[in-house]
Order: sequence, then C-alpha cells, then structure tokens
Amino acid sequence: DVKVTQSSRYLVKRTGEKVFLECVQDMDHENMFWYRQDPGLGLRLIYFSYDVKMKEKGDIPEGYSVSREKKERFSLILESASTNQTSMYLCASSSNPNIQYFGAGTRLSVL
Amino acid sequence: AQRVTQPEKLLSVFKGAPVELKCNYSYSGSPELFWYVQYSRQRLQLLLRHISRESIKGFTADLNKGETSFHLKKPFAQEEDSAMYYCALSGLHGGKSTFGDGTTLTVKP
Repeated sequence: DVKVTQSSRYLVKRTGEKVFLECVQDMDHENMFWYRQDPGLGLRLIYFSYDVKMKEKGDIPEGYSVSREKKERFSLILESASTNQTSMYLCASSSNPNIQYFGAGTRLSVL
Repeated sequence: AQRVTQPEKLLSVFKGAPVELKCNYSYSGSPELFWYVQYSRQRLQLLLRHISRESIKGFTADLNKGETSFHLKKPFAQEEDSAMYYCALSGLHGGKSTFGDGTTLTVKP
C-alpha cells in the first residue's frame, strides 16, 4: 500500500510567520504535488516536482515555495503566511501510470 | 491548456435511483481521465481511470472523445456513495493532473 504522510493534520499560525508543510511518500515515486482544497474551488495545484531538486509552478504558486532535497520528501513553504492562505493542503505522489496517491491533508489556519 | 468542468457542485438522489456525475474536458493531446472520490473524514483516493475500463463499486465511466466527456454513472445509488467526487485529466505520458471543482453527491434514504 502506498503511503503518503503529511506531518501535521492541523496547524494554526499567525500572519507573517514562515510555515513549513512536510510530505513524505514511501513508494519511490518520481512525482510529487502540493494542492490546496477550498470549498467550491476544487483542487488547485500549487507546485509539483518530477525529480529531486526539480520543481514546476502549478496554477497558484504565488506566496509559496517548495523544496525537494530527497526523493521521498516534498516540502511546501509559506514564506510569510497570510489569512488568505487558510486552507486544506493536500500532498500527492505518483509514478507511471499517473495515478495520484494523496495524504490525509493539513488544515492550516492563519490568524 | 487543459481544463476539466464539473457543472454540478451538488447532486442529490434517493437510494436505488440512477446517478450520473458529469465531467467535460478540454485537452489538445491524448488525455487520460480519472475519477477520484473523497468520503467523509477519509483521504482523496482513486475511484477509476478510463484506460482500465473497470467497474468499481458499481460505478462506470466511458470516455467520449467526440463530446469530450467522461461522465460517472451508477445504476442504483447507495447511501455509502455519498461523497465528494472529482474528475481529473492528465496527459497519457504523465505530467500534472488538472482537477475539476468537484461534485458533492448525497444519497438520501
């Protein structure tokens, strides 16, 4: 069974804080993704990575950055958290075929 | 650009009734289409993909390239089918997936 683990289920941060969301997968997948999930807006891709140290912008990268130093780990960074980044964040990984396996999600509240 | 449209945000049916969740897409190449499901308090997971042509939990979906659609169907809905359903598209050779906005299905007793 593929396992994608997100380090926190719930996070509460203050405006302006630097926030790290961590994701680890155990299936040696090449591809990893970060999405945010908002009611009525579906899943929106923030960043993805095809390989270690490689990253591509998704549809809504503004205010975010990512890091992939090891194949199994993909981190999402909010450089200076803002209230409009309050959301559910989902990490996913995939190989070929392009079936995505999701983590349980991190619900981030920025106050 | 690739795009997925799910026209219904909410869909409600009675138990035993047929259900169809609509999905339309736009993509310039050869797409691979998926349906993902998220049950309450569970993680998002794959339900089915068009290439495998399977029936999963009684659900089927046929890719109609002429109408650029990939509608999800089940002849007799069950209460446990209540969930959020997302249609997704990616290129046949991998790459990022594009998700629709999702449809919340409620099956009433």
